[in-house]
Amino acid sequence: GGIITQTPKFLIGQEGQKLTLKCQQNFNHDTMYWYRQDSGKGLRLIYYSITENDLQKGDLSEGYDASREKKSSFSLTVTSAQKNEMAVFLCASSEGNTGQLYFGEGSKLTVL
Amino acid sequence: GDSVTQTEGLVTLTEGLPVMLNCTYQTIYSNPFLFWYVQHLNESPRLLLKSFTDNKRTEHQGFHATLHKSSSSFHLQKSSAQLSDSALYYCALSDNTGGLSGKLTFGEGTQVTVIS
Repeated sequence: GGIITQTPKFLIGQEGQKLTLKCQQNFNHDTMYWYRQDSGKGLRLIYYSITENDLQKGDLSEGYDASREKKSSFSLTVTSAQKNEMAVFLCASSEGNTGQLYFGEGSKLTVL
Repeated sequence: GDSVTQTEGLVTLTEGLPVMLNCTYQTIYSNPFLFWYVQHLNESPRLLLKSFTDNKRTEHQGFHATLHKSSSSFHLQKSSAQLSDSALYYCALSDNTGGLSGKLTFGEGTQVTVIS
């Protein structure tokens, strides 16, 4: 089995600050994802990457940047944190054949 | 683009009664993969069921679902709810084709609370 590790688990920042979340996977999956989870709004895709150095925008990419410098890691940057984006950010990776996702434990963002 | 609709946002039911969570989808792809993910409190989502075969029932951990392409549905059912089934349930659609990893589109989720 594999594991997806997200750091940090809790991130507190100031409004307007640039904040970065990191994700590592040892499944050797090609595709990785960042989802944002807000209560009552489900999981919304921010960015995904189908291979090293590839980036694809999701439905919620505005205000975020992403980086996939290695196959095993995928980072997400909030370019200017806003109070209305306090949420849980979930990293995931997927199997090639079916798209089944494996999720990390999440990173909770709080903006003061 | 693809979309997934879960009509119930909140479901409260009594232990021992049947569960049915609705899921319908829209996609241009003729061979979508459908998933149900479950997320317990303070945990991350994990796969419960998946299917890409039309009209074939798939089962896991007492839950079952059948993909019906004719009605674009993938409803989740269980004959008898348990307290431990209290969780957030997501229906999801993958546009995976050609063996490449497809991105998933999630429904808004159904929060299930089972009471004794």
